[in-house]
Amino acid sequence: AQSVTQLGSHVSVSEGALVLLRCNYSSSVPPYLFWYVQYPNQGLQLLLKYTSAATLVKGINGFEAEFKKSETSFHLTKPSAHMSDAAEYFCAVSEGDDMRFGAGTRLTVKP
Amino acid sequence: GAGVSQSPSNKVTEKGKDVELRCDPISGHTALYWYRQSLGQGLEFLIYFQGNSAPDKSGLPSDRFSAERTGGSVSTLTIQRTQQEDSAVYLCASSSVSPTGELFFGEGSRLTVL
Repeated sequence: AQSVTQLGSHVSVSEGALVLLRCNYSSSVPPYLFWYVQYPNQGLQLLLKYTSAATLVKGINGFEAEFKKSETSFHLTKPSAHMSDAAEYFCAVSEGDDMRFGAGTRLTVKP
Repeated sequence: GAGVSQSPSNKVTEKGKDVELRCDPISGHTALYWYRQSLGQGLEFLIYFQGNSAPDKSGLPSDRFSAERTGGSVSTLTIQRTQQEDSAVYLCASSSVSPTGELFFGEGSRLTVL
């Protein structure tokens, strides 16, 4: 079955610094890949998704992710962190049926 | 309603009791998922329903857990003889038939087993 591994359960950056959240996947077929975000005391919402079109995917709030098949990666980046980006981020993979999530990465943004 | 609705939002129960958690998906969504979110454990896949197909139960942690979906709409997750390790937030999500469809999550049911 498909799976994802998120490297780093906690990431801390300063406001204005680059955000990089790592995700590697395992899939037996070309996957669909997703990033979801969970803000404090809120439900999960979709940030962006890769569905075999462009390998660089742009999402909401200035986030983007690049699908790299050779590295089986789908890392999430944002050039400049804002305080409002503090949340938990989940990478997910689907082979066309069910969806499996990673353990999540909690992002802290320091002033 | 417009979103995925879950009830109860909070449930406190005693060890050994049975609990039922309900999920009302977005109208027209054929796919329905249950996940368990525990501190530091991320989202643990439990079960997946797609239309009239047999559900994917591969994530259910033990035979104390079961789920059904009636009429292709409302789903109930049942935990029998609850244990303290069952304490978690149980999340339901629904999606359109497309495999690339976004999952829409409910607010979750927080279960505490004393």
